[in-house]
Amino acid sequence: AQKVTQAQTEISVVEKEDVTLDCVYETRDTTYYLFWYKQPPSGELVFLIRRNSFDEQNEISGRYSWNFQKSTSSFNFTITASQVVDSAVYFCALMQYNFNKFYFGSGTKLNVKP
Amino acid sequence: NAGVTQTPKFQVLKTGQSMTLQCAQDMNHEYMSWYRQDPGMGLRLIHYSVGAGITDQGEVPNGYNVSRSTTEDFPLRLLSAAPSQTSVYFCASSYGGGAETQYFGPGTRLLVL
Repeated sequence: AQKVTQAQTEISVVEKEDVTLDCVYETRDTTYYLFWYKQPPSGELVFLIRRNSFDEQNEISGRYSWNFQKSTSSFNFTITASQVVDSAVYFCALMQYNFNKFYFGSGTKLNVKP
Repeated sequence: NAGVTQTPKFQVLKTGQSMTLQCAQDMNHEYMSWYRQDPGMGLRLIHYSVGAGITDQGEVPNGYNVSRSTTEDFPLRLLSAAPSQTSVYFCASSYGGGAETQYFGPGTRLLVL
């Protein structure tokens, strides 16, 4: 069975603080893909990153970074020097290779206060 | 490109009514899917299609029908609306299944009274 757990329901930080959003997944597959999506207050879903199970290199994109660790089945997302515009709900998702089903976590709502 | 479009943006239904949520994409994507988003539950897959004429069930298909007569369109039909179907519905598309990134529409907010 596939499952994605985002244990942090809501996080509040003050602007310029760093914040890490946790994502733990369950799968028996050896090949799979992990995603992060952002949902700002306007409601649309914005793709942030895709990672395959064979690539454990961390990735950095501007203030965003992702730490993928297969040993702990985690794919955590860190925002450095957070900004008010980062306020959103962030979803982690798992997709089985060659299947057509996404499994989403329940999301983490991030509030960045000025 | 308009990307993935959904209509209507908001709809109120009475219990027992039927309606169709429209989804269209102009990116020539083969794969399309429907999700519902409920508070505290993330997004759950309702139905998906890997190409015209092919559909399959997702995690929560009961009470919904889909068809895929063209590559561009993937409507979702509520046969007899129930209050439990009050939700935000998202349509998504991608070039294929597997690792392809899905692009989401803006969502349809549905309220069933």
